[in-house]
Amino acid sequence: GAGVSQSPSNKVTEKGKDVELRCDPISGHTALYWYRQSLGQGLEFLIYFQGNSAPDKSGLPSDRFSAERTGGSVSTLTIQRTQQEDSAVYLCASSLESGSLSYEQYFGPGTRLTVT
Amino acid sequence: GNSVTQMEGPVTLSEEAFLTINCTYTATGYPSLFWYVQYPGEGLQLLLKATKADDKGSNKGFEATYRKETTSFHLEKGSVQVSDSAVYFCALKRDTGRRALTFGSGTRLQVQP
Repeated sequence: GAGVSQSPSNKVTEKGKDVELRCDPISGHTALYWYRQSLGQGLEFLIYFQGNSAPDKSGLPSDRFSAERTGGSVSTLTIQRTQQEDSAVYLCASSLESGSLSYEQYFGPGTRLTVT
Repeated sequence: GNSVTQMEGPVTLSEEAFLTINCTYTATGYPSLFWYVQYPGEGLQLLLKATKADDKGSNKGFEATYRKETTSFHLEKGSVQVSDSAVYFCALKRDTGRRALTFGSGTRLQVQP
């Protein structure tokens, strides 16, 4: 079956503009994660959706970042008023989740965001 | 809080050399431990995992043993190949609460023919 897909693969935007990044998880996966990979910060968690529960937003770096997951499937990460420090690769991952410790998170190819 | 510390790279080895990439962690409870690999131009892939103390994860000739007494999960391979050149990330997942992965900083491995 298809893996996790993300779009766009690359996005160049001007400082101050808003951007939307999309993630299509593996069908049937109830958990969805957003991470950010940047040179200065490594791989860091942003936000976590699990089923119908309220999302865990504890990793979002500022209130300019938000995300939603519609119908328990597709997710959109929105960055408002982008800043140069937002430049990074944004990774989405999905997994089955039922309380088990060992379900693998499958990662998408990422969206490379460059803020000029 | 939870954290993962990896040896800094880059690590440069000749083909068929022995590889060790050190990883230690700080966590409460009984986390699961993972090694992910990122090949050039590709996404993150799970390499191996271990879910409890003394478990050994293995895949593609790589091994790592979950050592609770030393809070370590070192990655080893007996004979590396050029195709193993990649960035390797150690990660943990808590057994309660948030299930997101906490990653180490990554170690770049370059294998020369």
